[in-house]
Amino acid sequence: GENVEQHPSTLSVQEGDSAVIKCTYSDSASNYFPWYKQELGKRPQLIIDIRSNVGEKKDQRIAVTLNKTAKHFSLHITETQPEDSAVYFCAANYSGAGSYQLTFGKGTKLSVIP
Amino acid sequence: ETGVTQTPRHLVMGMTNKKSLKCEQHLGHNAMYWYKQSAKKPLELMFVYSLEERVENNSVPSRFSPECPNSSHLFLHLHTLQPEDSALYLCASSQDSSLAGYTGELFFGEGSRLTVL
Repeated sequence: GENVEQHPSTLSVQEGDSAVIKCTYSDSASNYFPWYKQELGKRPQLIIDIRSNVGEKKDQRIAVTLNKTAKHFSLHITETQPEDSAVYFCAANYSGAGSYQLTFGKGTKLSVIP
Repeated sequence: ETGVTQTPRHLVMGMTNKKSLKCEQHLGHNAMYWYKQSAKKPLELMFVYSLEERVENNSVPSRFSPECPNSSHLFLHLHTLQPEDSALYLCASSQDSSLAGYTGELFFGEGSRLTVL
């Protein structure tokens, strides 16, 4: 089955700096890579996702990159703000018939220091 | 609101109790999930129902018993749990095709915080 490793487990940055979270996956058949944000005491929410037919996707201050050859993908947050403080989870999945197994990483706790 | 509601939000039970967690989604989705979230562990998929049929069961102990009476409701029946089962149980839903499997965003509920004494 799929195995997703996520690093770092904790990350502190100064407000305005960039933050990068990296994930690796094991199953070369995986083709869908979402990122979820979970604020303290709240539910996880999808913030961005990427499919294996693209290498990079941006949404305002958030971007995700994918390297299928190396089997790793990363989340980039620029100009960080205190409201970006949360736990971020990466995940990988093979999006095909009968496949519902979205495998999550252990999460990265991001703290943005004002 | 996200449209996925879980009750109760907090539950304390003894090891011999029987209790149930309830999840309801108002998004018109056809797939519902139970995830377990423990400290310092990845989100663990427990069960998946698509069109009210169980399609995934990730080797979950039989003391956890899911029920999906219709596409809007999902239950997790709990019986003779262990202290290590204490965790946040998250329900989620998505719009899936039985042909394409998982294809899109998971919408999570707020979770039910379970403590087993």
